[in-house]
Amino acid sequence: EIVLTQSPGTLSLSPGERATLSCRASQSVSSYLAWYQQNPGQPPRLVIYGASSRATGIPDRFSGSGSGTDFTLTISRLEPEDFAVYYCQQYDISPRTFGQGTKVEIK
Amino acid sequence: EVQLVQSGAEVMKPGESLTISCQASGYSFPSYWISWVRQMPGKGLEWMGRIDPGDSYTDYSPSFQGHVTISADKSIRTAFLHWSSLEASDTATYYCARREDMDVWGKGTTVTVSS
Repeated sequence: EIVLTQSPGTLSLSPGERATLSCRASQSVSSYLAWYQQNPGQPPRLVIYGASSRATGIPDRFSGSGSGTDFTLTISRLEPEDFAVYYCQQYDISPRTFGQGTKVEIK
Repeated sequence: EVQLVQSGAEVMKPGESLTISCQASGYSFPSYWISWVRQMPGKGLEWMGRIDPGDSYTDYSPSFQGHVTISADKSIRTAFLHWSSLEASDTATYYCARREDMDVWGKGTTVTVSS
């Protein structure tokens, strides 16, 4: 099973700052990696698919990069609604797996 | 509008059986995989398995294989997650999601298992 390791576990930042989230896979997943945002009590929302494509309705301050084993989600300027938990997920090899999540909190 | 509508919250006892559902609308149901994802209280997301509604082919995580059954009925555009014997550790919120990259999610079904 592919293990996805996200870092850091928690990111404390202020609105307007840049957020950089990392996801490392235990083996290559090509570009079959997605990022999801989850707010408390809500289902996850797809943010990035195919490692770098923004999902419908996602603002362009969100960007994804990487391929193979190392991936990054960048939020260029944090807005209040961006403070949430973010998960990466690989859909290259079964079983599909999620990372453990990165919480982006207000500093 | 593409939607996945999940069945309501359940409170069950250990050993009981349960089936929860996920009804799709707004797209061709047989065309996209449906996955099930578990989220235990205060914890992260866990992929349980998926089904191809077109031919009912299933693919399970080893962590859940044998404990749950995923099925689908094309005629009513609905996917199901079934337990034959619940355990307290099954207490969680269960989400269904469309497609490999999970572009559409249901709102979740909370299952509480307690004696």
